[in-house]
Amino acid sequence: QVQVQQSGPGLVKPSQTLSLTCDISGDSVSSNSAAWNWIRQSPSRGLEWLGRTYYRSKWYNDYALSVKSRIIINPDTSKNQFSLQLNSVTPEDTAVYYCARSGDLSYWFFDLWGRGTLVTVSS
Amino acid sequence: DIQMTQSPSSLSASVGDRVTITCRASQSISNYLNWYQQKPGKAPKLLIYAASSLQSGVPSRFSGSGSGTDFTLTIRSLQPEDFATYYCQQSYSNPTFGQGTKVEIK
Repeated sequence: QVQVQQSGPGLVKPSQTLSLTCDISGDSVSSNSAAWNWIRQSPSRGLEWLGRTYYRSKWYNDYALSVKSRIIINPDTSKNQFSLQLNSVTPEDTAVYYCARSGDLSYWFFDLWGRGTLVTVSS
Repeated sequence: DIQMTQSPSSLSASVGDRVTITCRASQSISNYLNWYQQKPGKAPKLLIYAASSLQSGVPSRFSGSGSGTDFTLTIRSLQPEDFATYYCQQSYSNPTFGQGTKVEIK
């Protein structure tokens, strides 16, 4: 059974770095038919796609313009996981963060989601 | 970014009703449109991809249609487990989601 599950701190101070990890089971972060995404959800911003990493003979990353200057998504093939790093956070970054798989690079739909991690940005 | 607008924002319906939710894109997105169902405290669940393709395991009472800028999600006969919030998502460019339609019990 394919699963993804995110983990990481639930509280981050303003101006610091939010770091989350997504563990993959039943699939591979290096799969040639999947991409691995981070999505967040908050009452003020709704569902917001943040970025993805995927392997097609080499590694690629795509990021949302809204966070492009402060986001890094990295794969870790040794642990079969991928990570999210969001720098210089503000209270606006408070949200439930999901990792999710997308298959088709063109139709880009999210067919597998983690359970979500609530991250609160507060001093 | 492409803006996605759903209507209505909420609706009340009874078990057995036919329900239609509309999603409009701010520019043409061909059929790059997906639908999700979300229940409180849970992650979204994929229902429909590529505007009209039913995801494996999703009941056939769910259907999607549309192309270009206007799309619909139809639930043919609403069941108790269908009371939830529904989102559209475009994948023509970097993904964006609609604001959601909450389906409540009448």
